[in-house]
Amino acid sequence: DTEVTQTPKHLVMGMTNKKSLKCEQHMGHRAMYWYKQKAKKPPELMFVYSYEKLSINESVPSRFSPECPNSSLLNLHLHALQPEDSALYLCASSQTETQYFGPGTRLLVL
Amino acid sequence: EDKVVQSPLSLVVHEGDTVTLNCSYEVTNFRSLLWYKQEKKAPTFLFMLTSSGIEKKSGRLSSILDKKELFSILNITATQTGDSAVYLCAVPGGTSYGKLTFGQGTILTVHP
Repeated sequence: DTEVTQTPKHLVMGMTNKKSLKCEQHMGHRAMYWYKQKAKKPPELMFVYSYEKLSINESVPSRFSPECPNSSLLNLHLHALQPEDSALYLCASSQTETQYFGPGTRLLVL
Repeated sequence: EDKVVQSPLSLVVHEGDTVTLNCSYEVTNFRSLLWYKQEKKAPTFLFMLTSSGIEKKSGRLSSILDKKELFSILNITATQTGDSAVYLCAVPGGTSYGKLTFGQGTILTVHP
């Protein structure tokens, strides 16, 4: 089983809202990732968690706040986003170098 | 800085055609190269290649790596409309574990 699940599938939020994206994997993978993907572009890495600790932050603005409550869950807290943050947000997990992606959350910021 | 370049950027074919997608890379401490297929949403894993000259095969898809010339190809034979997707090549970071460097992707469109 190589399933990564994400909720919600779609999210519309205003610039003053606070929302969270959730990601879950039950494969026992040690690393989890958040990516942002704009139309017609490849995924762009935001954060990497390894053994529940943040190991890479790709200079992401503080309006994005990741959280890893346990080895199966990864959250991305969103606050005061801008319209240019509208994108597909992908979660992935891996045990080795092969990353398995979830279906993504399509976010629209108005 | 790690770099991955894919070609062509887009390709339009008819069902039954055979296509070859290219991926060249420059990365410090190369370990592996990954191919993904992305339709509407999540990239789905196709192949991981680590050794030169050994073909990986899954149905009508196959891929091979050339570590001397620093490239990989993905072949799709007898294409079907369901093969229409973006094909992404990615290389794990040489110095940053967990960081995948992606190519720009090849958009494949298969017409009936």
